[in-house]
Amino acid sequence: SQQGEEDPQALSIQEGENATMNCSYKTSINNLQWYRQNSGRGLVHLILIRSNEREKHSGRLRVTLDTSKKSSSLLITASRAADTASYFCATDNGGVDKGGSEKLVFGKGTKLTVNP
Amino acid sequence: AAGVIQSPRHLIKEKRETATLKCYPIPRHDTVYWYQQGPGQDPQFLISFYEKMQSDKGSIPDRFSAQQFSDYHSELNMSSLELGDSALYFCASSRDLAREKLFFGSGTQLSVL
Repeated sequence: SQQGEEDPQALSIQEGENATMNCSYKTSINNLQWYRQNSGRGLVHLILIRSNEREKHSGRLRVTLDTSKKSSSLLITASRAADTASYFCATDNGGVDKGGSEKLVFGKGTKLTVNP
Repeated sequence: AAGVIQSPRHLIKEKRETATLKCYPIPRHDTVYWYQQGPGQDPQFLISFYEKMQSDKGSIPDRFSAQQFSDYHSELNMSSLELGDSALYFCASSRDLAREKLFFGSGTQLSVL
């Protein structure tokens, strides 16, 4: 089954450093999304990259997608203590009318700690 | 702006009891998704509804059932609760089955003792 797998599972950095998290998946996708989750709270959508895109930026976030390797990376630049959270990738394989499903499949997440 | 509302926020139950979780989507959102997240785990898809009909089904146990009502709110009914059902249950909503951005509620933390 389609499953996003993030690495590293945990990442600890100092404020001001960059954080890079990776995600791999198994099947073809329509788009890939990144979500952030503060401890015990709901997930918040960060950014979406479509299957025909290779890179996307939003503020301090940069996402890349390599469909040939079925992988994506999320880069957070100039990290802040407030960026401490878990980050999940989620894949959308296009819906039932494209042979997929009507759901997002989440990976296991990377727990990022940014130390002040 | 209105967000996805889930209730209750916390729920403590004994084994073999039943529980009902409620989800109120963002106004004009007609699609609801339920996810289960165990401690330190990724969110696992349970079930989704579009226009009050089930649109997809995931790893939802037969002991669980769900429905979406005419006002688009959804309820997840859980019976014969087991210790392993202890988890954070999230509801998310979107419009027209659009999965490009799901809006999540704050979740219901279910503890089965």
